[in-house]
Amino acid sequence: AQTVTQSQPEMSVQEAETVTLSCTYDTSESDYYLFWYKQPPSRQMILVIRQEAYKQQNATENRFSVNFQKAAKSFSLKISDSQLGDAAMYFCAYRSFGGGADGLTFGKGTHLIIQP
Amino acid sequence: GAVVSQHPSWVICKSGTSVKIECRSLDFQATTMFWYRQFPKQSLMLMATSNEGSKATYEQGVEKDKFLINHASLTLSTLTVTSAHPEDSSFYICSAHLSSYEQYFGPGTRLTVT
Repeated sequence: AQTVTQSQPEMSVQEAETVTLSCTYDTSESDYYLFWYKQPPSRQMILVIRQEAYKQQNATENRFSVNFQKAAKSFSLKISDSQLGDAAMYFCAYRSFGGGADGLTFGKGTHLIIQP
Repeated sequence: GAVVSQHPSWVICKSGTSVKIECRSLDFQATTMFWYRQFPKQSLMLMATSNEGSKATYEQGVEKDKFLINHASLTLSTLTVTSAHPEDSSFYICSAHLSSYEQYFGPGTRLTVT
């Protein structure tokens, strides 16, 4: 079974600064997907960014980028120019690549606080 | 974009009664939907995989007789919590599978059992 670990229960950053959220995972599979989801107080899960394990290039989406280290099984999220609207819970998630549809395995989450 | 709805958004029921939660994909068809459970200040835990026209697949430790899942059409999956008890109080979230790397989440349903 796969596991996802987020070791930072809470992170705080000044508005406009950069913050990095950590995520490590354990798997015996060679192909898989990794995701970062944002859950604001509304509790609606919002996809921030995704990475296919077979791609060496790190994914980027505007102010959000990842540092994917496959050998180290590490998948960190960098948020640049932090904004007040970025405040939320952030979950790292893993999904098998297999032919069928698989659910996601989530980490425990990191609560991101943005200081104005 | 793909939209998934859940109904109701919040339900309060008495202990011993059953409650049904609906998950609908509004603008796409989903042969597979997923049900997650989230306790306060905790992560999402996959409960079961709902497949249209076939039986649901439950994760280890999830009571299939308590959490009945029916995926009767390509746009609707339902989760029925039978004989609910206070410990079943939680936030239930569904998601619909669109492609290999796309799952869209519903807004969630808060269940309170008194």
